[in-house]
Amino acid sequence: TQLLEQSPQFLSIQEGENLTVYCNSSSVFSSLQWYRQEPGEGPVLLVTVVTGGEVKKLKRLTFQFGDARKDSSLHITAAQPGDTGLYLCAGLYPLNQGGKLIFGQGTELSVKP
Amino acid sequence: EAGVVQSPRYKIIEKKQPVAFWCNPISGHNTLYWYLQNLGQGPELLIRYENEEAVDDSQLPKDRFSAERLKGVDSTLKIQPAELGDSAVYLCASSLDRRNEQFFGPGTRLTVL
Repeated sequence: TQLLEQSPQFLSIQEGENLTVYCNSSSVFSSLQWYRQEPGEGPVLLVTVVTGGEVKKLKRLTFQFGDARKDSSLHITAAQPGDTGLYLCAGLYPLNQGGKLIFGQGTELSVKP
Repeated sequence: EAGVVQSPRYKIIEKKQPVAFWCNPISGHNTLYWYLQNLGQGPELLIRYENEEAVDDSQLPKDRFSAERLKGVDSTLKIQPAELGDSAVYLCASSLDRRNEQFFGPGTRLTVL
């Protein structure tokens, strides 16, 4: 059972296009993290959102946490070939529910020049 | 500062053979994690250590997998005997404590023939 549904699983776009990746769950998380993973490397943390409705921006990347802290989105504006990689969302359960970090299945993004 | 170090980076073995992976976390990080990542999937937690104590090993298949973190620093994950379905990337991560950001190593890619 996938507790954190990420969509789409694959995305192939042209340089300059915009895209949005979604991360959905029926669980409430204390925080939601987004990672980027390149081939042969481990995931690298991009951002953590903590408050329901929170929006964080990282250059051309915009991250939003849902009001109910069950879902999140990642929006990339004017994608570049350097954005190519695997994007993972991860939900952190509250400490009184084990405090475990669970990952979505990832979105494989390919940006063609 | 050195990141999380894992070795070997790649391992190819025949089924029923034993295999071991080694992880050296970032200096001063008390919490160490082992994750399994199948192709096209997000990482799944196998075991979490707080210093030398395994505090969450509910997802570790204990019939063939074992792990240790002697002296609360580096850690070893072992599989004996390996099965075809064990082919995956095994990631190690560390954090100051369970509430802080996890830093991932590059992983060990295991292929079982």
